[in-house]
Amino acid sequence: GEDVEQSLFLSVREGDSSVINCTYTDSSSTYLYWYKQEPGAGLQLLTYIFSNMDMKQDQRLTVLLNKKDKHLSLRIADTQTGDSAIYFCAEKLAGGGNKLTFGTGTQLKVEL
Amino acid sequence: EADIYQTPRYLVIGTGKKITLECSQTMGHDKMYWYQQDPGMELHLIHYSYGVNSTEKGDLSSESTVSRIRTEHFPLTLESARPSHTSQYLCASSVSSGANVLTFGAGSRLTVL
Repeated sequence: GEDVEQSLFLSVREGDSSVINCTYTDSSSTYLYWYKQEPGAGLQLLTYIFSNMDMKQDQRLTVLLNKKDKHLSLRIADTQTGDSAIYFCAEKLAGGGNKLTFGTGTQLKVEL
Repeated sequence: EADIYQTPRYLVIGTGKKITLECSQTMGHDKMYWYQQDPGMELHLIHYSYGVNSTEKGDLSSESTVSRIRTEHFPLTLESARPSHTSQYLCASSVSSGANVLTFGAGSRLTVL
């Protein structure tokens, strides 16, 4: 199967860390991605990780991949109000052409 | 700054009308995609193209059709719109590289009355 699941909603206080989680079912994923969607806009790539890596850090963003549990997470350090958006994880499968399967999206709300 | 453009951004039309959503990219990407986004946020792939004269149906069945006559242009057409077609339509493109990073347009929000 190609189900990619996320929790629907996360609320954090400004300055705290946010952790957005994603689970997937297909172990043949080659790349996993995190995209951000602000209101009224398309999706913007935040970062991606190759499946043979278990961690990637890029400024305030840390991606952790647990292939055994098929679990991907995105940690945003020092969360700001501008981080309020919908976050999508996505996977690219080996042999799936170049199609990406997106998760259900997590709405992050950052409160003052 | 993304170089992929969608028009119109917003469209409200009556049932039975024919509509075309335009998508153009200036990045020379060979692959292009159309996703439909539910009000509940989930994205579903409805069409994709790996190059000129190549079009394929996606994972979600759609009554829309697409064409790819030029590399930079990937329009989506609904011959007879219905209220069930009300949705956000997102166009994306990518190059044929290992990571296949998709670049998205801003979307076209369609409302059919």
